[in-house]
Amino acid sequence: DTGVSQDPRHKITKRGQNVTFRCDPISEHNRLYWYRQTLGQGPEFLTYFQNEAQLEKSRLLSDRFSAERPKGSFSTLEIQRTEQGDSAMYLCASSLGWGDLNEKLFFGSGTQLSVL
Amino acid sequence: GESVGLHLPTLSVQEGDNSIINCAYSNSASDYFIWYKQESGKGPQFIIDIRSNMDKRQGQRVTVLLNKTVKHLSLQIAATQPGDSAVYFCAERSGGFKTIFGAGTRLFVKA
Repeated sequence: DTGVSQDPRHKITKRGQNVTFRCDPISEHNRLYWYRQTLGQGPEFLTYFQNEAQLEKSRLLSDRFSAERPKGSFSTLEIQRTEQGDSAMYLCASSLGWGDLNEKLFFGSGTQLSVL
Repeated sequence: GESVGLHLPTLSVQEGDNSIINCAYSNSASDYFIWYKQESGKGPQFIIDIRSNMDKRQGQRVTVLLNKTVKHLSLQIAATQPGDSAVYFCAERSGGFKTIFGAGTRLFVKA
């Protein structure tokens, strides 16, 4: 299967700890997105990369959150000093997008974060 | 501001019947709309999309209708099957890079 891969699938951490998630997009996809989803809600946009450049960040993304895509392939999302409100499913999506053409997002299965 | 919402949080249909899931959007500048399906424990999966210069698009067993006058989007599923049970999200884009999702409708298919 060459879909979007996320690791780990589940993460339980104590409040105040740092966590890091990894996303491996579909290999030829140039765009990569991070979303956050809480129970019963739709995914909320966090940030977006075109190749290795981070082009947009949501105002939801506090300074405790940082994302990288150093070589334009895999990406990491780090949350520092986690809070209970950070508990959510973190979804990664990738796409092959150029200009303003229609763009299908391909999502991974997500990392479920629980902050105790 | 931008928002995408759904009329009903849950929908229950009999297997074999047609399903209609509705969605309202508020951003008149939105030019691209997408329906995603999310099964338990998985990420959203693309179903069908439509650009704002169209009012109808058909796929395999699914049809999306767009009414720009009232800013309304619907997803029709023909001959609903148990495998269609999931949460369905409408989403929109307005020329930027963000896809904005609504809250979702859970579809239950009764055997």
